[in-house]
Amino acid sequence: NAGVTQTPKFQVLKTGQSMTLQCAQDMNHEYMSWYRQDPGMGLRLIHYSVGAGITDQGEVPNGYNVSRSTTEDFPLRLLSAAPSQTSVYFCASSRVWGTNEKLFFGSGTQLSVL
Amino acid sequence: SQKIEQNSEALNIQEGKTATLTCNYTNYSPAYLQWYRQDPGRGPVFLLLIRENEKEKRKERLKVTFDTTLKQSLFHITASQPADSATYLCALMDSNYQLIWGAGTKLIIKP
Repeated sequence: NAGVTQTPKFQVLKTGQSMTLQCAQDMNHEYMSWYRQDPGMGLRLIHYSVGAGITDQGEVPNGYNVSRSTTEDFPLRLLSAAPSQTSVYFCASSRVWGTNEKLFFGSGTQLSVL
Repeated sequence: SQKIEQNSEALNIQEGKTATLTCNYTNYSPAYLQWYRQDPGRGPVFLLLIRENEKEKRKERLKVTFDTTLKQSLFHITASQPADSATYLCALMDSNYQLIWGAGTKLIIKP
């Protein structure tokens, strides 16, 4: 049972480069989300999706794009990487949105932007 | 402004003792609060959920309390073990149905 799978595990980018972080879940979850985790701060929501074809912004969306063409996949795109985007990124999913459902997390992507 | 706070200092506990972690919040009226465990290099893992009308919730050696008057949740691990060493995160749902997270408290259980 794979759960939530994120790739890559580590990535180093130069300022201005673009890249896509991949996220896939095999639990048929409606809700998927991307968070970033920085030292001394709580997880902050970047973007989320409540179903295929539906996405919305979270607390810190600037510099990131998402799409949800299938229930399983929710990629996060960095358009033009900046040093401020150095962080650990987590993808998470839950069965539905807006209830007391627990989140299932991927193992994270550690991103460094030089 | 809305805030959720956990003790940023690491908590050192002797093996076998009870560890108690605190989660305080302001300017929220959450319907429920969740606790997660995070190990280094891994994503958070759900532990317990407690609703606003529940005073206490237990799961094996874990106990969570929720005091909506004090705006505080306490997370207890009884008979602590070195394997309980991790960072523990609390989260509550805001009015937009998104989880708001504390920064976490690092728990170290010493043999």
